[in-house]
Amino acid sequence: GAVVSQHPSRVICKSGTSVKIECRSLDFQATTMFWYRQFPKQSLMLMATSNEGSKATYEQGVEKDKFLINHASLTLSTLTVTSAHPEDSSFYICSAGAGGAGYTFGSGTRLTVV
Amino acid sequence: SQKIEQNSEALNIQEGKTATLTCNYTNYSPAYLQWYRQDPGRGPVFLLLIRENEKEKRKERLKVTFDTTLKQSLFHITASQPADSATYLCALEGNAGNMLTFGGGTRLMVKP
Repeated sequence: GAVVSQHPSRVICKSGTSVKIECRSLDFQATTMFWYRQFPKQSLMLMATSNEGSKATYEQGVEKDKFLINHASLTLSTLTVTSAHPEDSSFYICSAGAGGAGYTFGSGTRLTVV
Repeated sequence: SQKIEQNSEALNIQEGKTATLTCNYTNYSPAYLQWYRQDPGRGPVFLLLIRENEKEKRKERLKVTFDTTLKQSLFHITASQPADSATYLCALEGNAGNMLTFGGGTRLMVKP
């Protein structure tokens, strides 16, 4: 079946630094990928839709200059959290798939900003 | 605004029983309703999808019903096992390729 690989699984960074998270579709091409954020005991909230070869579409309230998304190929999307602060600490998850057929999610990245 | 409600309280059942989870929604007309399983510290795993014109879908020990009049889906796990313990998420999709909107999830605990 479809596999989405997400790295790193855990990252701790200092406040003010930037962190890059990679999301790869291993056995299929993904023109669209989705980035979610999940706080403890809460559900997934869509942050942005990543489109190959074009600009990402951000959900209301998500700062595009803080959460940079690059979808340079059909199998790779990256999310960069710039100038991270403790309030950015969260669980970040990407997904890809065919609409109307279920989506495949990455294993998630636990970001801790200290 | 769209709202998806799942029982936030954990559901505790005995092994071998049938677990039934509920998903209710308002202000939405989804083309697809999906159920996912999420284990702690992991991404969701797709389980089942049901279309707006379908009433019921089955897969092994899983069964999903979809009532677009009541705006409700029920998710059943028969002959439950401790390994079924996880959080189950309901998600709605407007049209194919559109974003998923997730409910808050229900944590299921199956006791041996």
